[in-house]
Amino acid sequence: GENVEQHPSTLSVQEGDSAVIKCTYSDSASNYFPWYKQELGKRPQLIIDIRSNVGEKKDQRIAVTLNKTAKHFSLHITETQPEDSAVYFCAASISGNQFYFGTGTSLTVIP
Amino acid sequence: NAGVTQTPKFQVLKTGQSMTLQCAQDMNHEYMSWYRQDPGMGLRLIHYSVGAGITDQGEVPNGYNVSRSTTEDFPLRLLSAAPSQTSVYFCASSDRAWNSPLHFGNGTRLTVT
Repeated sequence: GENVEQHPSTLSVQEGDSAVIKCTYSDSASNYFPWYKQELGKRPQLIIDIRSNVGEKKDQRIAVTLNKTAKHFSLHITETQPEDSAVYFCAASISGNQFYFGTGTSLTVIP
Repeated sequence: NAGVTQTPKFQVLKTGQSMTLQCAQDMNHEYMSWYRQDPGMGLRLIHYSVGAGITDQGEVPNGYNVSRSTTEDFPLRLLSAAPSQTSVYFCASSDRAWNSPLHFGNGTRLTVT
């Protein structure tokens, strides 16, 4: 099955700085890559996603890049704010089935 | 729409007891799945279903059973609870379209003593 690796496991940044979280996947058939944010005690919620026919997608302060050749995708958060503090998960899926998740990155934004 | 509804929110079991975690969705999603979340382990897929009458195993299926008799419901059964099954369980659904993300329920926190 698919194996998704995520780094780093913890990340601390100063407010206003950028944060980057990286994931790799193993199955070249994976074609959909969502990112989820999970606040303490809450459910994971989708923040951005990218399909395999797109190399980059941006939504305000959040962007995701995909390198299909290297099987690598990354989440970029610019101008970080304290409310960005949470655990972030990447995932890989084959056509909307069997979503496999990374182990998560705990992001702390220091005011 | 209520989305994905999980019950109960919390449960404490003794070793050897059985129970069913309930999951229902009102979005007419074909795909439903169960994950367990443990510290440092991320979200691990237990079982999933691509439609009524069809189920399959994920990464960590041992000790769990599922069935899918209707599109809306996807219960997870713990046959004989063990302390290793102490975890937070999430149900999630998707309409299986290529550009469709998972929608999660609010989770069930299970403790097995």
